Amino acid sequence: AQKVTQAQTEISVVEKEDVTLDCVYETRDTTYYLFWYKQPPSGELVFLIRRNSFDEQNEISGRYSWNFQKSTSSFNFTITASQVVDSAVYFCALSEASGTYKYIFGTGTRLKVLA
Amino acid sequence: ETGVTQTPRHLVMGMTNKKSLKCEQHLGHNAMYWYKQSAKKPLELMFVYSLEERVENNSVPSRFSPECPNSSHLFLHLHTLQPEDSALYLCASSQDTGTNEKLFFGSGTQLSVL
Repeated sequence: AQKVTQAQTEISVVEKEDVTLDCVYETRDTTYYLFWYKQPPSGELVFLIRRNSFDEQNEISGRYSWNFQKSTSSFNFTITASQVVDSAVYFCALSEASGTYKYIFGTGTRLKVLA
Repeated sequence: ETGVTQTPRHLVMGMTNKKSLKCEQHLGHNAMYWYKQSAKKPLELMFVYSLEERVENNSVPSRFSPECPNSSHLFLHLHTLQPEDSALYLCASSQDTGTNEKLFFGSGTQLSVL
């Protein structure tokens, strides 16, 4: 069965600290897609990254980096030198190629960055 | 203009009221979605429309009635809701309904049912 687990409900860090948000997924498909979305206080979820199951290269975008490890079914997200503007709820999501248009979202991790 | 616009931002209604939520996307996308976001739960997919045709009704109670008059507009008609329906209702769109599609979300309507 599909499942996405974000075990960290809430994390608080002080500005400039690095923080890693964990995401563990379950799927029986060999082809699938993993996503991260950010939900700031304004409410709308904003797309951050999409990876397919055949591309295990880690990715870096500015202060953001993602570590995809199929061996542990994890797709973790690290923010380097966190800023107050990074405060938001972050969602990890899974979409199976054999399925339909149904994302499976995790329950989200609320990140608070304190000045 | 923002890509996906939802109105109203906040709505308080009694259990016997009828109200509608509106969503408009300016991205030229073919697919639109309604999601429900409740505290400490994963986002729940409610409805999917592709080219104005409903392609998914995810076991949603009939007190929620979607309408998609064209590919840019999506409505969610509400009637005789229950207090447990209080939640953030998010509209989203994507280019198509493929499984690798990025979703673009509106800011949501925060609904309170008294």
